[in-house]
Amino acid sequence: QQQVKQSPQSLIVQKGGIPIINCAYENTAFDYFPWYQQFPGKGPALLIAIRPDVSEKKEGRFTISFNKSAKQFSLHIMDSQPGDSATYFCAATSGSRLTFGEGTQLTVNP
Amino acid sequence: AAGVIQSPRHLIKEKRETATLKCYPIPRHDTVYWYQQGPGQDPQFLISFYEKMQSDKGSIPDRFSAQQFSDYHSELNMSSLELGDSALYFCASSFGTGSSYEQYFGPGTRLTVT
Repeated sequence: QQQVKQSPQSLIVQKGGIPIINCAYENTAFDYFPWYQQFPGKGPALLIAIRPDVSEKKEGRFTISFNKSAKQFSLHIMDSQPGDSATYFCAATSGSRLTFGEGTQLTVNP
Repeated sequence: AAGVIQSPRHLIKEKRETATLKCYPIPRHDTVYWYQQGPGQDPQFLISFYEKMQSDKGSIPDRFSAQQFSDYHSELNMSSLELGDSALYFCASSFGTGSSYEQYFGPGTRLTVT
């Protein structure tokens, strides 16, 4: 049973578009929510993370929105570029282990 | 900046053989995590160590064992390999253990069992 549900499974946008990836969780013990970017054959790279006491966090072109009551959070990528084409994973943790969503394969067309 | 180092990067083994994967954390990081990622899947947590002690255990088969050494590097030992063990194995490290300690992943070891 997937503890962190992620959608969509794949996403195609044009350069400059704003892809949005959504995640939902059930376990209220989760208290830290990072996002990772992964290129084929590479390790996941930490992009940005948020705590549940914050509703929004921005770092460069990446923004996380967090809705604690709905147990949902999302990643927005502003001014997306072809180089952003990768698989994005949301994750959640309580304690130390990361629980990942299923991943979203993002393609940004030139 | 120094990153997590994993070796070997690629490994091909036959069924029932053993394999040892090594992980060298970022300098000063004291916590190491192991994850397994099957094709097209999300990484699954296997096991973690903090200050050389096992800190958490996930869905790691009994055929696998791991440890963290005094220099904080870690090794994942896999015995009686099965075809289903073919996957990418990632090591991650953090400075400290707990939710808010950011985990940084290595490049992975691709294990192929034939």
